[in-house]
Amino acid sequence: AQKVTQAQTEISVVEKEDVTLDCVYETRDTTYYLFWYKQPPSGELVFLIRRNSFDEQNEISGRYSWNFQKSTSSFNFTITASQVVDSAVYFCALSEHGSSNTGKLIFGQGTTLQVKP
Amino acid sequence: NAGVTQTPKFQVLKTGQSMTLQCAQDMNHEYMSWYRQDPGMGLRLIHYSVGAGITDQGEVPNGYNVSRSTTEDFPLRLLSAAPSQTSVYFCASRLLGQRKNTEAFFGQGTRLTVV
Repeated sequence: AQKVTQAQTEISVVEKEDVTLDCVYETRDTTYYLFWYKQPPSGELVFLIRRNSFDEQNEISGRYSWNFQKSTSSFNFTITASQVVDSAVYFCALSEHGSSNTGKLIFGQGTTLQVKP
Repeated sequence: NAGVTQTPKFQVLKTGQSMTLQCAQDMNHEYMSWYRQDPGMGLRLIHYSVGAGITDQGEVPNGYNVSRSTTEDFPLRLLSAAPSQTSVYFCASRLLGQRKNTEAFFGQGTRLTVV
């Protein structure tokens, strides 16, 4: 069964600090997708990144970077030089893409990030 | 560019009442799903569907029914509302492909309170 664990419930940093949000996943499939979503205080869910299981290259997008390590079943998210606007709840999610390909997307519990000025 | 449309945005129900949360998408996505979001619990999957006429249970299906008569619509029915169903509900859709599945697109959410 698929499972996503975000062990950090809440993180508080001061603006300009770097912060890493952890995500550990479990799956029996060899083909799967990992995602990160952001939920700002306004409540909508904003897609940040999708990564498939065959692509272990790290990705950087501006101040955001993602570190995917299959050996440790982790897909961690780092924000460099954090800003107040980064304050949000961040969700990691997993979708298996096996023979059934149900598309079912399972989320972690979320990490609340507070960036203080 | 409607995407995923959820209605209503807010709802207050009395215990025992029934209601339907509506969800529609205009992207021709096969996959549609309903989640509930509760503090500290993340987004938990209620029901999902991979196409018209096909539905399946997620992690927390009890107390909810769904149907998928068309590709576009995926309503969520609360048969007899209970205070434990007070939550924020999100509908999501995504494109399923043999080679690649897309990310999920979410509606704006419905804040439901059962008193």
